[in-house]
Amino acid sequence: EPEVTQTPSHQVTQMGQEVILRCVPISNHLYFYWYRQILGQKVEFLVSFYNNEISEKSEIFDDQFSVERPDGSNFTLKIRSTKLEDSAMYFCASNAGYNEQFFGPGTRLTVL
Amino acid sequence: KQEVTQIPAALSVPEGENLVLNCSFTDSAIYNLQWFRQDPGKGLTSLLLIQSSQREQTSGRLNASLDKSSGRSTLYIAASQPGDSATYLCAVGAAGNKLTFGGGTRVLVKP
Repeated sequence: EPEVTQTPSHQVTQMGQEVILRCVPISNHLYFYWYRQILGQKVEFLVSFYNNEISEKSEIFDDQFSVERPDGSNFTLKIRSTKLEDSAMYFCASNAGYNEQFFGPGTRLTVL
Repeated sequence: KQEVTQIPAALSVPEGENLVLNCSFTDSAIYNLQWFRQDPGKGLTSLLLIQSSQREQTSGRLNASLDKSSGRSTLYIAASQPGDSATYLCAVGAAGNKLTFGGGTRVLVKP
């Protein structure tokens, strides 16, 4: 059964460093998303992406964040200069339209 | 701004008992509602999706209802098993496909 995959599963970085989180959405899906979950808190929407551009972004998704679909299969989230408060589980999701979103296993980002 | 609330935050039941999980949302202008299961430290597994035009959706032992006008959804899990122990999240889908999540209900099914 097709699934969303994410790499790495765990990323540790120093404050101020750039990180790139990678996702491979389900192959026939057209809509891609990033969400995050800070430990003990709700899952929060970051950004949605369709047709090679951002459809919607939340207040959290400031200039430090960017997304890209560099090729036909990968979807990336870049954080330019990480802060301690960026430590969270980051989930990638995809779907084919206004229907079920499928989530990846997540990348745990730890900023020291 | 959409707010999604799940009560109770935690629930403990003996094996075999039916589970009833509640989700409420403030803005009824939704496209769909999705229930997820999350195991500790893991990703989100989709359980059921209810479109805004539907009142109910069933999958095996799971049944979810939706009352859009009152801003409520309920997930029923019949004949609970220890393997059902997890956190259950509801998420409301709006224009643009963005999901807004509740805080989850942590379920423990005791053998």
